Amino acid sequence: GENVEQHPSTLSVQEGDSAVIKCTYSDSASNYFPWYKQELGKGPQLIIDIRSNVGEKKDQRIAVTLNKTAKHFSLHITETQPEDSAVYFCAASIQAAGNKLTFGGGTRVLVKP
Amino acid sequence: GAVVSQHPSRVICKSGTSVKIECRSLDFQATTMFWYRQFPKQSLMLMATSNEGSKATYEQGVEKDKFLINHASLTLSTLTVTSAHPEDSSFYICSAPTWTANYNEQFFGPGTRLTVL
Repeated sequence: GENVEQHPSTLSVQEGDSAVIKCTYSDSASNYFPWYKQELGKGPQLIIDIRSNVGEKKDQRIAVTLNKTAKHFSLHITETQPEDSAVYFCAASIQAAGNKLTFGGGTRVLVKP
Repeated sequence: GAVVSQHPSRVICKSGTSVKIECRSLDFQATTMFWYRQFPKQSLMLMATSNEGSKATYEQGVEKDKFLINHASLTLSTLTVTSAHPEDSSFYICSAPTWTANYNEQFFGPGTRLTVL
């Protein structure tokens, strides 16, 4: 089955700096890669996603890149703000195969004011 | 965006009792829902896929008789933790996929914190 590795497990950045989280996946058939933000005691919220036919996608301060050949994808948050502090999860799935998500281990991001 | 609710948000029960958690898609229909379990400071682990009108599909290592899943309608799935024990204490999260724009997106519920004494 699919295996998703995520790094780093914790990330501390100064407000205004950028944060980068990287994930690798094992199943070359995976074609959908969402990123979720989870605040304490809440369910995950989708913040951005990318499909395998796209190399990069941007939404305001958040961007995601995908390298299919290397089987890795990354989340970039620019101009970080204290409210960006949360746990971020990457995930991978095969959209044609029931949409089951395999999650990475998570990255705890702390933005210091 | 689509909304998924869970009830209750928190439950405390005694060891040996059963607990039912509900997952509802509020503004869309879902023939499939997913149940996850999350231990503190860990990732989400898929427990099972709930299928409307048919049996749930359980992931390897998940006890079917302990975690009963019923997908009663296109907007409701329930997870019953039977004969709960302290090691079942965890954060249980459901999700449901639906089409948004041009692709299939999963929406997560707010989670249910189960504490077994």
